[in-house]
Amino acid sequence: KQEVTQIPAALSVPEGENLVLNCSFTDSAIYNLQWFRQDPGKGLTSLLLIQSSQREQTSGRLNASLDKSSGRSTLYIAASQPGDSATYLCAVGRGSTLGRLYFGRGTQLTVWP
Amino acid sequence: EPEVTQTPSHQVTQMGQEVILRCVPISNHLYFYWYRQILGQKVEFLVSFYNNEISEKSEIFDDQFSVERPDGSNFTLKIRSTKLEDSAMYFCASSPQYAGYEQYFGPGTRLTVT
Repeated sequence: KQEVTQIPAALSVPEGENLVLNCSFTDSAIYNLQWFRQDPGKGLTSLLLIQSSQREQTSGRLNASLDKSSGRSTLYIAASQPGDSATYLCAVGRGSTLGRLYFGRGTQLTVWP
Repeated sequence: EPEVTQTPSHQVTQMGQEVILRCVPISNHLYFYWYRQILGQKVEFLVSFYNNEISEKSEIFDDQFSVERPDGSNFTLKIRSTKLEDSAMYFCASSPQYAGYEQYFGPGTRLTVT
């Protein structure tokens, strides 16, 4: 069974810092990996999707990398802002015809001014 | 930008009652999902649905649960005989073309069973 772990569980940084969130998964036979943002009591907002054949994806200040063989992904946030404060979730997809996502517990990020 | 919508945003029900959670996926999407998140826990997959039938379900999705696409726009999750432990946030998601594409999530329905 696929297990997804995210480290750290919580992170508090001052505005302007560059930071890295980590995600690891136990079964490297994944189809894709998706990073989400979740604000308190809200839904999930998709940030980046990386297909298993890709090494990284970028969107604005966000960069996600994938090392499928070692079962790891990182989300890099550049020049963090208070508006980035949220919980960041990593989810892996198992197969092309099976869309089930396996989620980690998330990293709760607080960026203070 | 198209988005997944869910109603109601919050549902309170008594133990043993039946509830129906409603979702309107993005209009040209073909794969639909339900997930749930118990407070403080991971988001968990419940079921995926394609071409008017279940394509995969988790061990959580037992006979208490059912899904339906009653028309061309709605996708529903029915929970029969609700239990206290069914209290959670329920998320609907959809993806275009085939599974493996980006999944877009709705804002969720918070179900409280008393």
